[in-house]
Order: sequence, then structure tokens, then C-alpha cells
Amino acid sequence: DAGVIQSPRHEVTEMGQEVTLRCKPISGHNSLFWYRQTMMRGLELLIYFNNNVPIDDSGMPEDRFSAKMPNASFSTLKIQPSEPRDSAVYFCASSSGGGYYEQYFGPGTRLTVT
Amino acid sequence: GENVEQHPSTLSVQEGDSAVIKCTYSDSASNYFPWYKQELGKGPQLIIDIRSNVGEKKDQRIAVTLNKTAKHFSLHITETQPEDSAVYFCAAIGGTASKLTFGTGTRLQVTL
Repeated sequence: DAGVIQSPRHEVTEMGQEVTLRCKPISGHNSLFWYRQTMMRGLELLIYFNNNVPIDDSGMPEDRFSAKMPNASFSTLKIQPSEPRDSAVYFCASSSGGGYYEQYFGPGTRLTVT
Repeated sequence: GENVEQHPSTLSVQEGDSAVIKCTYSDSASNYFPWYKQELGKGPQLIIDIRSNVGEKKDQRIAVTLNKTAKHFSLHITETQPEDSAVYFCAAIGGTASKLTFGTGTRLQVTL
């Protein structure tokens, strides 16, 4: 059974460029989460979708970040324009049952902004 | 909001020994406490979780205990093996519209 799939696994880009991260949740899961992990701040929740609808986006750092979930099997996190301080590992997680419980994480995308 | 503290930040044990990682939480309404294992270059992996109506849960060599009165919970790994070496995160959630709050992680190293 496939787990959460993320792409790309690594992304290196220059400051000011647009970055799009992609996620495919586990089939049948109706909740999707985007997290950011850094040494300084640990794991931070950016946004939470339930049934493709954004429920909590209070963790999105600023207007440069946006996330979409056009259907139950795909979500994107976009950063435009990117800045060096956005460098981090971005994780997507999914769960069933419509809540924060039993979240399963993807392998992450390591983003480096130079 | 919730605040989760985790100790120790690093832990080194010899193969075969037990390892214990402790976490405290601040929100008495928290009712779900998962533990995640993160290996280098990988995403966090859910290894065990416990809900507030249970005091202890075991799964082979790992167990989690919960003390609601003291607001702390612990991960116990027995008969440690080199493949247990990883960073372990505790987390807590509960109350209305709250988020899963993670501890700062414990780097466990199992030496031969």
C-alpha cells in the first residue's frame, strides 16, 4: 500500500523564484497537512485541509505561501517569491477520520533557496 | 495553546538496554499523544499512540505510559537494537480546534 508521496524530493532554487511542492495523500484519507521542519523551529504546521477544504491556515508564514487541494488525491504548496529563509524540509501528511489523529507523513521535500 | 516539553534531547544506550523518553504537556484537555520516529532523510513515522482514556499501551518492544494527573507521558523501548537509532518526537493534541503540537525531539543512539 503506497504511503504519502511527495515531489520533488529535493529542490534548489534562487531567491525570487517560484517553488511548487506536490503531495499525493494516502488513498481514502480525507485530511491533509503541510508541515515545515527546521533545526531552529522544529516541526511547524502550515495548513490543514479536510475534504479538500482549508480548515486551518494560521501557520502559513505570509502571503508568499499558498496551498491548494483541487481534489482528494493531490495538493500543492507554492512559495512565490522564495527567500533564503524558506529553506527547510517540507512534509505532507494525511489522516483518515477528519482530524489531526494518526497522521502519516511523506518523505519530505528538502528545499534550498540560494 | 498547548506546550510540549521533551527530555532528554540526546540519549545513548548500549544495545540490549532500555531507553526512556519523557514528555510533559500543558493543556489538560489534550487527549491524544502520538510518538514519531524519524530516521535520517525520512519523514516522521508514527510508531505508537495513546489516548487519554488509557494509561498504558504496548506494541512489542515499545510502550507508552500516560499520567494525566501529572500531565506527562513516556516512551519506553526495551531490548534496544541499532535500528532503533533515530530522532523520536512526542506530540499532543486536544481541546477544540487545536493543532498537533510536537516536542523538540530526542536523538537516540544505540551503540554496539
